[in-house]
Amino acid sequence: NAGVTQTPKFQVLKTGQSMTLQCAQDMNHEYMSWYRQDPGMGLRLIHYSVGAGITDQGEVPNGYNVSRSTTEDFPLRLLSAAPSQTSVYFCASGPPTNEKLFFGSGTQLSVL
Amino acid sequence: GQQVMQIPQYQHVQEGEDFTTYCNSSTTLSNIQWYKQRPGGHPVFLIQLVKSGEVKKQKRLTFQFGEAKKNSSLHITATQTTDVGTYFCTAGATNKLIFGTGTLLAVQP
Repeated sequence: NAGVTQTPKFQVLKTGQSMTLQCAQDMNHEYMSWYRQDPGMGLRLIHYSVGAGITDQGEVPNGYNVSRSTTEDFPLRLLSAAPSQTSVYFCASGPPTNEKLFFGSGTQLSVL
Repeated sequence: GQQVMQIPQYQHVQEGEDFTTYCNSSTTLSNIQWYKQRPGGHPVFLIQLVKSGEVKKQKRLTFQFGEAKKNSSLHITATQTTDVGTYFCTAGATNKLIFGTGTLLAVQP
């Protein structure tokens, strides 16, 4: 099984550019989420979704948009990249009861 | 908002020594989860604790949930080089899992 797949693995952007980080899971999980990880900051929740058509904000949602048109996919959009968004981004999915999260391998994003 | 603090932030041990990391929440928790992240890798689920005072073991790892359900600990007996990584606890509402700051474990052979 593929589990949670994130693309791309690495990305370099210039300030002001936009891009979409892709996340797909093949476990039929209703719950999906995006985290960012910065040195010394642990993982911080950006946005999450409890099912197709339903999204909500996490701890640090500013500068990011999400949508959930299918159960499988949960893309994260950066509308106008800023250097403060340089980070490693992880997508995760899990069963509705949130008893366990499965993480993708991450996307390392640098904004110059 | 909910805060989850972990101590220590970093620990360096000799292989064979024991290791403990502690997780403290500002509020009472319904459950707590522990994850391990190897250097350069992604977090991997280890265990979930639900009951007050619960203790669970996975080989050399012992997980404990406090009686008041506001703290937890992870103890590793006789560390090995394969234990290297960052250990995170998580807490929060069902859909908003908040990760602790993590404890980075380094093991010297």
